[in-house]
Amino acid sequence: KQEVTQIPAALSVPEGENLVLNCSFTDSAIYNLQWFRQDPGKGLTSLLLIQSSQREQTSGRLNASLDKSSGRSTLYIAASQPGDSATYLCAAYPGAGSYQLTFGKGTKLSVIP
Amino acid sequence: ETGVTQTPRHLVMGMTNKKSLKCEQHLGHNAMYWYKQSAKKPLELMFVYSLEERVENNSVPSRFSPECPNSSHLFLHLHTLQPEDSALYLCASSQDPGPGETQYFGPGTRLLVL
Repeated sequence: KQEVTQIPAALSVPEGENLVLNCSFTDSAIYNLQWFRQDPGKGLTSLLLIQSSQREQTSGRLNASLDKSSGRSTLYIAASQPGDSATYLCAAYPGAGSYQLTFGKGTKLSVIP
Repeated sequence: ETGVTQTPRHLVMGMTNKKSLKCEQHLGHNAMYWYKQSAKKPLELMFVYSLEERVENNSVPSRFSPECPNSSHLFLHLHTLQPEDSALYLCASSQDPGPGETQYFGPGTRLLVL
């Protein structure tokens, strides 16, 4: 059974700092890995999706990497802003034929002005 | 109204009540999902529907009963719930079910069972 772990559970950084959020998964046979953002009282917003054949994806100040062999993914946020404060979730999709998107518990990020 | 909407946003119910959660997507998608997000636990998939047909039931107790009358609407009927069912219930949709599809989430219904 796939398990997804995110460490740390919470992170506080000053504005302008670059930061890295970590995600690890136990079963390397994934189809893709996705990063989401969740704001308090709101649903999830998809940030980046990395296919298993890809090494990284970029969107603006966000860069996500994937290393299937080590079971790890990272989300890099450049020049953090207070508006980046949210909970960041990663989720692994198993092979084709399953709908079970397995989520981590998330990392709660606070960017201090 | 755009995206995925959910009503009500907050719900308090007793263990003997019957209530329903509603989800509507305005994206023309074919797949819809119910998730449960409990405090201190990862988001858990409950049900998946594709073109009004249930394609996955992730070992959810029968006190939760989903209904998908058409591809734009999804309901979760609740009856005789337990306090441990208190959670944020999220609805999502995607163009089609399965991997490779980005899921779009609604804001959720915060449920408290007394």
